[in-house]
Amino acid sequence: DGGITQSPKYLFRKEGQNVTLSCEQNLNHDAMYWYRQDPGQGLRLIYYSQIVNDFQKGDIAEGYSVSREKKESFPLTVTSAQKNPTAFYLCASSPQGGQKNIQYFGAGTRLSVL
Amino acid sequence: GEDVEQSLFLSVREGDSSVINCTYTDSSSTYLYWYKQEPGAGLQLLTYIFSNMDMKQDQRLTVLLNKKDKHLSLRIADTQTGDSAIYFCAEKRNDYKLSFGAGTTVTVRA
Repeated sequence: DGGITQSPKYLFRKEGQNVTLSCEQNLNHDAMYWYRQDPGQGLRLIYYSQIVNDFQKGDIAEGYSVSREKKESFPLTVTSAQKNPTAFYLCASSPQGGQKNIQYFGAGTRLSVL
Repeated sequence: GEDVEQSLFLSVREGDSSVINCTYTDSSSTYLYWYKQEPGAGLQLLTYIFSNMDMKQDQRLTVLLNKKDKHLSLRIADTQTGDSAIYFCAEKRNDYKLSFGAGTTVTVRA
C-alpha cells in the first residue's frame, strides 16, 4: 500500500528528554512537511523539505529539529528546548512544490509529557 | 490572527445539507482546499478549487468560491453519520506552504 507512515502513534516524553517522531513515505514524493496541531487551532508548519539534504524552517521551528537524508524519510526531533511539546504531530508529503501543492497526510503521532 | 477563519462548530440532522463556511485573507491565493479529519486520524483531502472557478461539484460535495468577498464554502448534501468530523479550509500561500483554518467540528445527529 502506498502512503505515509508515522510512528509511534503515541509517545511520552520525560522532562529534559529529546524524542524523535518517524515519518516514512513510499509515494516517491519530493516534498515533506511537519505540522503541529493543538485543540481548536489550525495546523502550524514546523519544518518542510523540498528535496533530500535540504529543509527550511516553518512558522514554529524553535525547539524542533529535522533531517532529510533519504527521500522517503523525514524524522522530527522534539528537543528539551521545546517547553510545551504536548500536541498532535502530523507529517505530510506532496509530489513536489508547485501549482497545486496538494499535500497528503499521515495518521499522526500524539505526544504527551510525563 | 488567523489568515483563514472558520466557525468552530456545526450541528446538522442526518439527511439534511451541511454548509461549512471559510474566509481567507490573501486575494492572490490560487488554490483553496477542504480537508476532513476523523477522530485521532490524519487529514484527508476532500476537494480543492482553483481561483478562476466559482463552483466545483464532486458527488455529494459542492464548493463555492466568492473571490470578491474571499469566501469559500463546502456543502455536503444528504449528510450521513460518517460525515461527522473536523473540516479544515486551507489556502495556498506559496509553492510549499498552506495556511489552515482552525477547523469546523461537524456533528451529525439522528
